[in-house]
Amino acid sequence: GQQVMQIPQYQHVQEGEDFTTYCNSSTTLSNIQWYKQRPGGHPVFLIQLVKSGEVKKQKRLTFQFGEAKKNSSLHITATQTTDVGTYFCAGNENQGGKLIFGQGTELSVKP
Amino acid sequence: DTGVSQDPRHKITKRGQNVTFRCDPISEHNRLYWYRQTLGQGPEFLTYFQNEAQLEKSRLLSDRFSAERPKGSFSTLEIQRTEQGDSAMYLCASSSGQGERAFFGQGTRLTVV
Repeated sequence: GQQVMQIPQYQHVQEGEDFTTYCNSSTTLSNIQWYKQRPGGHPVFLIQLVKSGEVKKQKRLTFQFGEAKKNSSLHITATQTTDVGTYFCAGNENQGGKLIFGQGTELSVKP
Repeated sequence: DTGVSQDPRHKITKRGQNVTFRCDPISEHNRLYWYRQTLGQGPEFLTYFQNEAQLEKSRLLSDRFSAERPKGSFSTLEIQRTEQGDSAMYLCASSSGQGERAFFGQGTRLTVV
Protein backbone atom coordinates (compact mmCIF):
# COMPACT_ATOMS: atom_id res chain seq x y z
CA GLY A 1 0.00 0.00 0.00
CA GLN A 2 0.86 3.64 -0.23
CA GLN A 3 3.47 4.86 2.24
CA VAL A 4 4.65 8.39 2.91
CA MET A 5 7.95 8.89 4.69
CA GLN A 6 9.46 12.04 6.11
CA ILE A 7 12.94 12.95 7.26
CA PRO A 8 14.29 14.04 9.59
CA GLN A 9 12.07 13.09 12.50
CA TYR A 10 13.41 15.94 14.63
CA GLN A 11 15.24 19.13 13.87
CA HIS A 12 16.59 21.56 16.44
CA VAL A 13 17.76 24.90 15.11
CA GLN A 14 18.89 28.24 16.41
CA GLU A 15 16.53 31.07 15.64
CA GLY A 16 17.50 32.54 12.30
CA GLU A 17 18.79 29.28 10.85
CA ASP A 18 17.09 27.58 7.94
CA PHE A 19 15.09 24.35 8.13
CA THR A 20 14.14 21.73 5.55
CA THR A 21 11.99 18.64 5.78
CA TYR A 22 11.71 16.03 3.05
CA CYS A 23 8.80 13.84 2.09
CA ASN A 24 8.91 10.70 -0.07
CA SER A 25 6.07 8.54 -1.29
CA SER A 26 6.28 4.92 -2.35
CA THR A 27 3.83 5.68 -5.16
CA THR A 28 3.12 8.55 -7.52
CA LEU A 29 0.88 11.15 -5.94
CA SER A 30 -1.90 13.14 -7.54
CA ASN A 31 -1.18 15.96 -5.10
CA ILE A 32 0.69 16.66 -1.90
CA GLN A 33 -0.48 18.72 1.04
CA TRP A 34 1.47 20.14 3.96
CA TYR A 35 0.14 20.63 7.47
CA LYS A 36 1.50 22.13 10.67
CA GLN A 37 0.61 20.87 14.12
CA ARG A 38 1.49 22.98 17.14
CA PRO A 39 2.11 21.21 20.45
CA GLY A 40 -1.25 20.19 21.87
CA GLY A 41 -3.05 21.21 18.70
CA HIS A 42 -4.44 19.57 15.61
CA PRO A 43 -3.02 19.58 12.08
CA VAL A 44 -3.67 22.80 10.19
CA PHE A 45 -3.47 22.99 6.42
CA LEU A 46 -0.62 25.03 4.94
CA ILE A 47 -0.60 24.40 1.21
CA GLN A 48 -1.33 21.99 -1.62
CA LEU A 49 0.86 21.21 -4.63
CA VAL A 50 -0.58 19.52 -7.68
CA LYS A 51 1.70 19.95 -10.67
CA SER A 52 4.95 18.14 -11.35
CA GLY A 53 7.90 20.34 -10.37
CA GLU A 54 5.63 22.93 -8.77
CA VAL A 55 7.13 25.46 -6.36
CA LYS A 56 5.04 27.63 -4.07
CA LYS A 57 6.07 30.22 -1.53
CA GLN A 58 4.36 31.55 1.56
CA LYS A 59 6.51 34.31 3.07
CA ARG A 60 9.52 32.42 4.51
CA LEU A 61 8.18 28.98 3.54
CA THR A 62 8.99 27.35 0.19
CA PHE A 63 7.28 24.18 -0.93
CA GLN A 64 8.38 21.97 -3.81
CA PHE A 65 6.81 19.01 -5.56
CA GLY A 66 9.16 16.67 -7.36
CA GLU A 67 9.16 16.11 -11.09
CA ALA A 68 8.08 12.50 -10.62
CA LYS A 69 5.38 13.56 -8.13
CA LYS A 70 6.78 11.17 -5.55
CA ASN A 71 8.64 13.58 -3.32
CA SER A 72 8.27 17.00 -1.82
CA SER A 73 10.09 19.39 0.47
CA LEU A 74 9.35 22.27 2.78
CA HIS A 75 12.04 24.85 3.42
CA ILE A 76 11.80 27.59 6.02
CA THR A 77 14.20 30.50 5.76
CA ALA A 78 15.41 32.26 8.90
CA THR A 79 13.31 30.32 11.40
CA GLN A 80 11.44 32.09 14.16
CA THR A 81 10.13 30.75 17.46
CA THR A 82 6.63 30.89 15.99
CA ASP A 83 7.67 28.19 13.51
CA VAL A 84 7.85 25.61 16.31
CA GLY A 85 5.68 22.57 15.70
CA THR A 86 5.49 19.38 13.69
CA TYR A 87 5.25 19.58 9.92
CA PHE A 88 3.45 16.82 8.07
CA CYS A 89 3.17 16.05 4.41
CA ALA A 90 0.13 14.17 3.21
CA GLY A 91 -0.55 12.70 -0.19
CA ASN A 92 -3.34 11.36 -2.32
CA GLU A 93 -2.29 8.35 -4.35
CA ASN A 94 -5.03 9.03 -6.85
CA GLN A 95 -7.54 11.81 -7.18
CA GLY A 96 -10.28 9.97 -5.40
CA GLY A 97 -8.18 8.31 -2.78
CA LYS A 98 -7.55 8.68 0.90
CA LEU A 99 -5.12 11.20 2.36
CA ILE A 100 -2.04 9.48 3.83
CA PHE A 101 0.23 11.35 6.23
CA GLY A 102 3.93 11.10 6.80
CA GLN A 103 5.37 10.69 10.29
CA GLY A 104 6.17 14.37 10.52
CA THR A 105 9.23 16.45 11.32
CA GLU A 106 9.23 18.12 14.70
CA LEU A 107 10.91 21.50 14.62
CA SER A 108 12.21 23.21 17.73
CA VAL A 109 13.69 26.69 17.57
CA LYS A 110 16.05 27.99 20.20
CA PRO A 111 15.82 31.76 20.68
CA ASP B 1 -17.83 28.10 15.27
CA THR B 2 -18.46 26.32 11.99
CA GLY B 3 -15.34 24.15 12.07
CA VAL B 4 -15.10 20.40 12.64
CA SER B 5 -16.21 19.48 16.13
CA GLN B 6 -15.56 16.29 18.02
CA ASP B 7 -17.13 14.96 21.17
CA PRO B 8 -16.00 14.13 23.75
CA ARG B 9 -12.64 15.84 23.94
CA HIS B 10 -11.37 13.35 26.48
CA LYS B 11 -12.44 9.84 27.38
CA ILE B 12 -11.05 7.56 30.04
CA THR B 13 -12.36 4.02 29.95
CA LYS B 14 -11.59 0.69 31.48
CA ARG B 15 -10.14 -2.06 29.35
CA GLY B 16 -12.87 -4.13 27.78
CA GLN B 17 -15.45 -1.35 27.66
CA ASN B 18 -16.95 0.02 24.46
CA VAL B 19 -16.57 3.67 23.52
CA THR B 20 -18.16 5.84 20.86
CA PHE B 21 -16.91 9.13 19.51
CA ARG B 22 -18.80 11.65 17.44
CA CYS B 23 -17.61 13.99 14.71
CA ASP B 24 -19.57 16.85 13.18
CA PRO B 25 -17.87 17.95 9.98
CA ILE B 26 -18.10 21.33 8.32
CA SER B 27 -21.51 21.49 6.75
CA GLU B 28 -21.54 20.83 2.99
CA HIS B 29 -18.32 18.82 3.29
CA ASN B 30 -19.03 15.47 1.69
CA ARG B 31 -15.79 13.78 2.64
CA LEU B 32 -15.02 12.74 6.22
CA TYR B 33 -11.89 11.04 7.55
CA TRP B 34 -10.98 9.34 10.81
CA TYR B 35 -7.36 9.18 11.91
CA ARG B 36 -5.57 7.94 14.99
CA GLN B 37 -2.49 9.71 16.31
CA THR B 38 -0.06 8.63 19.00
CA LEU B 39 2.73 10.70 20.49
CA GLY B 40 5.46 11.50 18.00
CA GLN B 41 3.63 9.96 15.07
CA GLY B 42 1.67 11.28 12.15
CA PRO B 43 -2.08 10.81 11.80
CA GLU B 44 -2.70 7.16 10.92
CA PHE B 45 -5.51 6.63 8.45
CA LEU B 46 -8.44 4.62 9.82
CA THR B 47 -11.33 5.12 7.41
CA TYR B 48 -13.10 7.65 5.24
CA PHE B 49 -16.53 8.44 3.88
CA GLN B 50 -17.85 10.09 0.78
CA ASN B 51 -21.26 11.28 1.93
CA GLU B 52 -22.76 8.24 3.71
CA ALA B 53 -20.65 5.67 1.86
CA GLN B 54 -17.64 4.26 3.66
CA LEU B 55 -15.09 4.05 0.84
CA GLU B 56 -12.16 2.48 2.61
CA LYS B 57 -11.15 1.08 5.95
CA SER B 58 -7.54 0.55 6.93
CA ARG B 59 -6.44 -3.07 6.81
CA LEU B 60 -4.55 -2.41 10.03
CA LEU B 61 -7.83 -1.79 11.78
CA SER B 62 -9.28 -4.67 13.73
CA ASP B 63 -12.91 -5.67 13.62
CA ARG B 64 -13.36 -3.99 17.00
CA PHE B 65 -13.44 -0.65 15.18
CA SER B 66 -16.49 0.47 13.26
CA ALA B 67 -17.54 3.79 11.85
CA GLU B 68 -20.79 5.11 10.48
CA ARG B 69 -22.05 8.21 8.76
CA PRO B 70 -25.74 7.41 8.43
CA LYS B 71 -27.05 10.56 6.83
CA GLY B 72 -23.89 11.85 5.27
CA SER B 73 -23.47 14.48 7.96
CA PHE B 74 -22.08 13.56 11.39
CA SER B 75 -20.08 10.40 11.93
CA THR B 76 -19.47 8.05 14.82
CA LEU B 77 -16.47 5.86 15.55
CA GLU B 78 -17.01 2.95 17.91
CA ILE B 79 -14.34 0.85 19.53
CA GLN B 80 -15.53 -2.36 21.13
CA ARG B 81 -13.70 -4.20 23.92
CA THR B 82 -11.09 -1.50 24.26
CA GLU B 83 -7.46 -2.43 24.84
CA GLN B 84 -4.62 -0.38 26.28
CA GLY B 85 -3.10 -0.14 22.83
CA ASP B 86 -6.16 1.80 21.69
CA SER B 87 -5.07 4.76 23.82
CA ALA B 88 -4.46 7.59 21.37
CA MET B 89 -5.83 10.81 19.96
CA TYR B 90 -8.65 10.15 17.49
CA LEU B 91 -8.88 12.87 14.89
CA CYS B 92 -11.70 13.59 12.52
CA ALA B 93 -11.28 15.70 9.40
CA SER B 94 -13.56 16.80 6.60
CA SER B 95 -13.05 18.17 3.14
CA SER B 96 -15.22 19.51 0.34
CA GLY B 97 -14.21 16.76 -2.02
CA GLN B 98 -11.55 14.49 -3.39
CA GLY B 99 -8.09 15.98 -3.33
CA GLU B 100 -9.20 19.01 -1.34
CA ARG B 101 -7.65 20.28 1.87
CA ALA B 102 -8.71 18.62 5.09
CA PHE B 103 -10.00 20.51 8.12
CA PHE B 104 -9.33 18.77 11.40
CA GLY B 105 -11.28 18.76 14.61
CA GLN B 106 -9.62 19.11 18.00
CA GLY B 107 -9.66 15.36 18.47
CA THR B 108 -10.82 12.96 21.16
CA ARG B 109 -8.11 11.75 23.49
CA LEU B 110 -8.81 8.20 24.59
CA THR B 111 -7.09 6.68 27.60
CA VAL B 112 -7.71 3.00 28.31
CA VAL B 113 -6.80 1.98 31.85
